[in-house]
Amino acid sequence: IAGITQAPTSQILAAGRRMTLRCTQDMRHNAMYWYRQDLGLGLRLIHYSNTAGTTGKGEVPDGYSVSRANTDDFPLTLASAVPSQTSVYFCASSDSGLGDTQYFGPGTRLTVL
Amino acid sequence: AQRVTQPEKLLSVFKGAPVELKCNYSYSGSPELFWYVQYSRQRLQLLLRHISRESIKGFTADLNKGETSFHLKKPFAQEEDSAMYYCASPTVKTSYDKVIFGPGTSLSVIP
Repeated sequence: IAGITQAPTSQILAAGRRMTLRCTQDMRHNAMYWYRQDLGLGLRLIHYSNTAGTTGKGEVPDGYSVSRANTDDFPLTLASAVPSQTSVYFCASSDSGLGDTQYFGPGTRLTVL
Repeated sequence: AQRVTQPEKLLSVFKGAPVELKCNYSYSGSPELFWYVQYSRQRLQLLLRHISRESIKGFTADLNKGETSFHLKKPFAQEEDSAMYYCASPTVKTSYDKVIFGPGTSLSVIP
C-alpha cells in the first residue's frame, strides 16, 4: 500500500510555464487537500475536495486550479507559474473532513525562475 | 480572523531536559486541535490530537480553554525528537472551508 504519492519530487520551472503537480492516494479517502509550505508561514491550504466531483478554494487559491475526477487523484495546476509560487507543495487526504487525521504526501519542491 | 500561533520559530533544548512547544489558537468554540510533526526527510505526520487524549512518543498536549492554548510537552527530550512541529486546527468542525496551521517550531535537541 503506497498511501499517498506525489510527482514530481522536485521541479525547476520557467516563469510563465504551465505545470501540473500530481497526487494519488489509495486509501479511498473522500477528502483531499493541497497545501504550500513556506518558511515562517507554515502550511497554507490552496484548494480542497470533499469528495470526487467537488472542489473548493482554500486560503491561497489564486494562480492555482484543481480537479477531482475520481476518488484517487487530485492534480494541482499552475496555469502560468510566477516566482512567488516557489514553494514546497504537499498533498494530503483524510477519510472525511477536517476533523479527521490528515495523511500527507512526501511533497513536491517547486522552483519558479 | 481565526489564527493558530506558535511564538517560537526555533527551540533548542539539551537531551534529557523538558520541552514545551507553545501553541495558541483564536477559535472561540470548542476546537479540534492537532499536533503534526515533520522529521528530517520525512513527510508530515500526525503526532497527536486533542480528542484522543493520547501520549505519543512521550508527548502530551492539554487544551486550556481559558488561555486558548494547546502546548505540546515532553518531560525528557530525546535526540530523535528533533523535527519541525506544527499545531493545527480546522476553523469549524463541520466545515471544509479551511484548516489553519501554525507557522511551525523547529525543535533541536542537543546531545
